[in-house]
Amino acid sequence: KQEVTQIPAALSVPEGENLVLNCSFTDSAIYNLQWFRQDPGKGLTSLLLIQSSQREQTSGRLNASLDKSSGRSTLYIAASQPGDSATYLCAVEGYGQNFVFGPGTRLSVLP
Amino acid sequence: EAGVAQSPRYKIIEKRQSVAFWCNPISGHATLYWYQQILGQGPKLLIQFQNNGVVDDSQLPKDRFSAERLKGVDSTLKIQPAKLEDSAVYLCASSLDGRGRVRTDTQYFGPGTRLTVL
Repeated sequence: KQEVTQIPAALSVPEGENLVLNCSFTDSAIYNLQWFRQDPGKGLTSLLLIQSSQREQTSGRLNASLDKSSGRSTLYIAASQPGDSATYLCAVEGYGQNFVFGPGTRLSVLP
Repeated sequence: EAGVAQSPRYKIIEKRQSVAFWCNPISGHATLYWYQQILGQGPKLLIQFQNNGVVDDSQLPKDRFSAERLKGVDSTLKIQPAKLEDSAVYLCASSLDGRGRVRTDTQYFGPGTRLTVL
C-alpha cells in the first residue's frame, strides 16, 4: 500500500527566501507525481505534474524534481512571497492505483 | 472557463441524519472524482467516474455512502446515515481525459463542501 509523507509539516520563512518542501513515497512504481496548493477554505490547485519518465518540471518560480528510485520529490520555491502562503500537497499515482496524497506542508511567508 | 462547482459550501447535521452534496464538473471533462479530506490530512479518493460509469470505488464506505453521475455530467454524493467521523471537507474534481485510469491530465478541484456532524 502506497504511503506518502511530507516534511516539514509546517514552515515559516521571511519573504525573499528560497525554500524546499519534501515529499516521500514508499512504492517507487508510480505513474506520475503531482504537487498541489491549497488555500484555506478552497479546493486544490495543481502546480506541477511530473511523469515517471521525467526528472523535473518548472513553472515560474517553482521547480519540482522526482527521484523514483529513492522515493522522493522536492518542490523548490525561489524568492518566496507572502502570496505563496498556503498548504502544499504532493500526490502520487501508481499503476492501476489512484492518487494517494500526503498530509501537506503548511507554509507561511512573512512580509 | 468556469471551474468545478459544488454545493452547498457548508452543512451541519446531526448523526444518523442524511446529507447530499452536488458537483458540476468543467464542461467536457470525462472524469469526475469525489474526495474526502479530514482536517490535517490529505484528500482520500472515495469514487472515480469515467463519463457515467464507476472506475474505482474501492475506498467508498458503501454501507452508508452512495454516488451517482447521471448523464455523465453532474454528480451527487450521499451519506445515509451520517456518523461523527464523516465530518470533513468533501472535494469534487474533474479532468479532461477519457482514457479510463490512465491519467495524464491535471485534476481541477472545486471549493469543497465542509460537513460537520454533531
